[in-house]
Order: sequence, then structure tokens, then C-alpha cells
Amino acid sequence: DGGITQSPKYLFRKEGQNVTLSCEQNLNHDAMYWYRQDPGQGLRLIYYSQIVNDFQKGDIAEGYSVSREKKESFPLTVTSAQKNPTAFYLCASSISREAPYEQYFGPGTRLTVT
Amino acid sequence: GQNIDQPTEMTATEGAIVQINCTYQTSGFNGLFWYQQHAGEAPTFLSYNVLDGLEEKGRFSSFLSRSKGYSYLLLKELQMKDSASYLCAISNSGYALNFGKGTSLLVTP
Repeated sequence: DGGITQSPKYLFRKEGQNVTLSCEQNLNHDAMYWYRQDPGQGLRLIYYSQIVNDFQKGDIAEGYSVSREKKESFPLTVTSAQKNPTAFYLCASSISREAPYEQYFGPGTRLTVT
Repeated sequence: GQNIDQPTEMTATEGAIVQINCTYQTSGFNGLFWYQQHAGEAPTFLSYNVLDGLEEKGRFSSFLSRSKGYSYLLLKELQMKDSASYLCAISNSGYALNFGKGTSLLVTP
């Protein structure tokens, strides 16, 4: 079955540690995205990538980093510089970077930093 | 800049019809999306409007007026499983979506 996988579903870390969230898709989509969702808030864009080896900052990129070495994979690192890392993180992909095609979302990773 | 407004919460009765409104101000417009999100889960795509008018898909319909910066999602024959958050999102450059804060819908018996 085609889809987007994120792992793990729940992640706990101590303050000051970097942590990497996994996102893999087998939909052959060009574009991939990372969003963050806080209680009572909409989704906010962290980073996006339109093609391999290229990515752009979204609205709240500070304290995060990404890589796009393969079309299928777009991992997100939450660094110790991120002031409020506890949140629900969603990865998404879309069929083309040119058209506003619908985005497909992974199941999300809930990160708790204490 | 961009601003997307939706009501925070709504309540409706099973079997009824509910309309969830979304108003927006944006510097560019490539389309408007509606997503459904159950608590703790990923958003799932419901509808997409790029031209003015009504798009119907089963029990769900979505309307767009670009001149008014207005959309609504209409849910008919409400079921208990429709209790969820409904997210309005704007595509204004083709590469990413800007989401409203969502409307939490509670369907009661």
C-alpha cells in the first residue's frame, strides 16, 4: 500500500538533546513538507522540499533542520535551539511542486521534551 | 500576509446539516482546501475549490467565492463519526498550504 509513514508515534526527550523525526513516502511524490501543530492551533509550516537536495524554510524554521537526500525521505531534526519543541509533528507530501495538488499526511509524531 | 478565520467550535445534532464558514485575506490564491482531522490523527483531504461555486462530494459540499474571500463546508446527514476538527487551508503559491486554526465540530445524539 502506498502512503506516508512517520516514526515513532510518540517520542520523549530530555531538554538539550537533538532528536530526529522520520518521514518516508512511497507515493513517488516530488514535494514533501513538515508541519507543527499545537493545541488549539492550526498547522504551521516548518520546512518544505520541492525536489531532492533542495529545501526551503517555512514560517517557523528556527531551531529545526532537514535534509532531502532521497525522494522518499525527508527527516526533521529538532535541535536544542528550538525553544518550545513539545508538539505534534506532521509530515506531508504532494504529487507536484507546480500545482496545488492535495497534500497527503502521515500519522504524525507526538514529541514531548521535558 | 495572510489571514484565515474559522469559528473555533460548533455543535450540531445527528442527522442535521451544518455549515462551517471560512473567510480569508491573501495576497495570492491558487485554491482552497478543506481537511478533516480526528483527535490525535492526521488530517485527511475533503475538498478543493479553485473556481467560484459549489463542489459536491457525497454528504460533503464546499463553496467558494473568491471575490468575497469566503468559503464554507456543508455537511449533510450528520453522523457521530463526523465529530472532528475541520481545517480550512489556502494555497497561495503552489508549494505549501496555510491553515486556519480549525473548527471543532461536536455531533450530539
